[in-house]
Amino acid sequence: GAVVSQHPSWVICKSGTSVKIECRSLDFQATTMFWYRQFPKQSLMLMATSNEGSKATYEQGVEKDKFLINHASLTLSTLTVTSAHPEDSSFYICSARNSGGADTQYFGPGTRLTVL
Amino acid sequence: AQKVTQAQTEISVVEKEDVTLDCVYETRDTTYYLFWYKQPPSGELVFLIRRNSFDEQNEISGRYSWNFQKSTSSFNFTITASQVVDSAVYFCALSEENTDKLIFGTGTRLQVFP
Repeated sequence: GAVVSQHPSWVICKSGTSVKIECRSLDFQATTMFWYRQFPKQSLMLMATSNEGSKATYEQGVEKDKFLINHASLTLSTLTVTSAHPEDSSFYICSARNSGGADTQYFGPGTRLTVL
Repeated sequence: AQKVTQAQTEISVVEKEDVTLDCVYETRDTTYYLFWYKQPPSGELVFLIRRNSFDEQNEISGRYSWNFQKSTSSFNFTITASQVVDSAVYFCALSEENTDKLIFGTGTRLQVFP
């Protein structure tokens, strides 16, 4: 149990385009999902907290107009990187918290974004 | 303020050696949760353990064991008889009762050589 998937696992795009990343909780309902980014050999940095049916809460310094988050159902959250630039290249990881569980976050496999 | 410190950036051991990964945390809350996650080269974070602040019992799961010491604000992780497959980055994390956020340490890269 507690499986989280992400799609795509990697994406290469041109500068100026938008990229959507999906995060799904496969075998549990998640009222809260989280989006992190991780630079090489660094720790995870929380970008935003996504609550089903409401607006996401962004961490300080994260542009909400650039990183659009939608959590339309209890099993799906999406992150859209708008007008991507090379500095947005990173490893993006989502996690989901089991609303009926013990507050553990379960992580997806990550999406490696490369912006040319 | 919340903080998690993993002072060991990188550890290298030879297979079958025991290895301990250190984690020291800071929090003002009396109720909090501590976690360990493993991140193998594939990138996915694998949940290993969750411990709440009221449970100081040490835990053992196969070759893994955890030592929680509130007196020293530490939550150390020991791998016994390490194997090559244990090679990964290990993250310690903290969350407080009234927040959803996980505060991660900087991670310890463990390399186990055959």
